Amino acid sequence: EIVLTQSPATLSLSPGERATLSCRASQSVSSYLAWYQQKPGQAPRLLIYDASNRATGIPARFSGSGSGTDFTLTISSLEPEDFAVYYCQQRSTWPSFGGGTKVEIK
Amino acid sequence: EVQLVESGGGLVEPGGSLRLSCTVSEFPFNIAWMSWVRQAPGKGLEWVGRIKSKTDGGTMDYAAPVKGRFTISRDDSKSTLYLQMNSLKTEDTAVYYCTSIGYSDYYFDNWGQGTLVTVSS
Repeated sequence: EIVLTQSPATLSLSPGERATLSCRASQSVSSYLAWYQQKPGQAPRLLIYDASNRATGIPARFSGSGSGTDFTLTISSLEPEDFAVYYCQQRSTWPSFGGGTKVEIK
Repeated sequence: EVQLVESGGGLVEPGGSLRLSCTVSEFPFNIAWMSWVRQAPGKGLEWVGRIKSKTDGGTMDYAAPVKGRFTISRDDSKSTLYLQMNSLKTEDTAVYYCTSIGYSDYYFDNWGQGTLVTVSS
């Protein structure tokens, strides 16, 4: 089983700031990595797939990078609606998710 | 707009059974690969299983914790996905989400609102 470790657990930032979220895999997942956003009481939403491709309708301020074992989700300038929990997920083997990073308002 | 609506959740005793349904609209269900993902209260996400479209063989795959206890099926005439859960354990308590698979296998691109399953005596 591939374990995904996300850091930090919580990120406290202000609107307009840049957010950088990390996801590290216990073994290489090539570029088979996605990012999801989840707001309280809502289902997750797919943001990024194959490490760097934005899903349909996702704003350009969201970008993903990385390959192998180290991945990054960057939100270039936080909007009020971006404060949420973010999960990474790999599909190199049976799907698994990271533990999440909460982006909260500072 | 694509809609996925789950139903069938509730309270069940350990060892019991429950069947969840997910009705899909505004979406070509018959060619879609579908999946279930769950989330225990206050916890992260966990993949449960996946079913391919009938045209792609209709095969199912399951996560290790549910294999042999859970069964995914589909009724394309009703655009409905099912999750039959048997021999339920307290650790199966979670919100269960129905998802479609898009872009590539095992990326979950459309999600329902979820249905809560509570396993408790």
